Amino acid sequence: RKEVEQDPGPFNVPEGATVAFNCTYSNSASQSFFWYRQDCRKEPKLLMSVYSSGNEDGRFTAQLNRASQYISLLIRDSKLSDSATYLCVVTDTGRRALTFGSGTRLQVQP
Amino acid sequence: SAVISQKPSRDICQRGTSLTIQCQVDSQVTMMFWYRQQPGQSLTLIATANQGSEATYESGFVIDKFPISRPNLTFSTLTVSNMSPEDSSIYLCSVDGRGGLAGSLRETQYFGPGTRLLVL
Repeated sequence: RKEVEQDPGPFNVPEGATVAFNCTYSNSASQSFFWYRQDCRKEPKLLMSVYSSGNEDGRFTAQLNRASQYISLLIRDSKLSDSATYLCVVTDTGRRALTFGSGTRLQVQP
Repeated sequence: SAVISQKPSRDICQRGTSLTIQCQVDSQVTMMFWYRQQPGQSLTLIATANQGSEATYESGFVIDKFPISRPNLTFSTLTVSNMSPEDSSIYLCSVDGRGGLAGSLRETQYFGPGTRLLVL
């Protein structure tokens, strides 16, 4: 079983749609959680950290359910520029390297 | 945010040869990481490189195949040795956002632009 699992997609949505990505992780010792964004042929860049209380950054909302070991990302009012691969990332206590999910590809269409 | 550069940005190599990839950071960092991203896949950690000590390798990766140097707090190299077509991949270095990077967020990791390697 992979440590971090995501639906690979692709998710094809029209502009303005709301789209949600889910991610599950297997290591109960995981302590830090992130969503990264990777554009085609580019390096991954941090989109947002995910906190237990949930957090929002503009059109993006991230939530964490530790009991279910489940992370989500909600994108509202999708833009063409949101088209990318979204990577669910976790790390555990004392280990600063990141464990990546396989990524979910989003394609926002006009 | 940290500025990270990698050299070369891309290369095409013959099987059996070796390639050394350089990673340069614009400020001192304690930990540097090397990842691999194979075509259509996500990132996999190869090893963690600390200055002044041997690199720590992940399961499935060995020092003989991927020797790493970390001579100072701003620089590291990864060598892909005795290459085969299965080594065709993007190799990325990253640095931890902690450790004194000016303006960094505590939990961020910054990635270099990657080195795109094709082995024939």
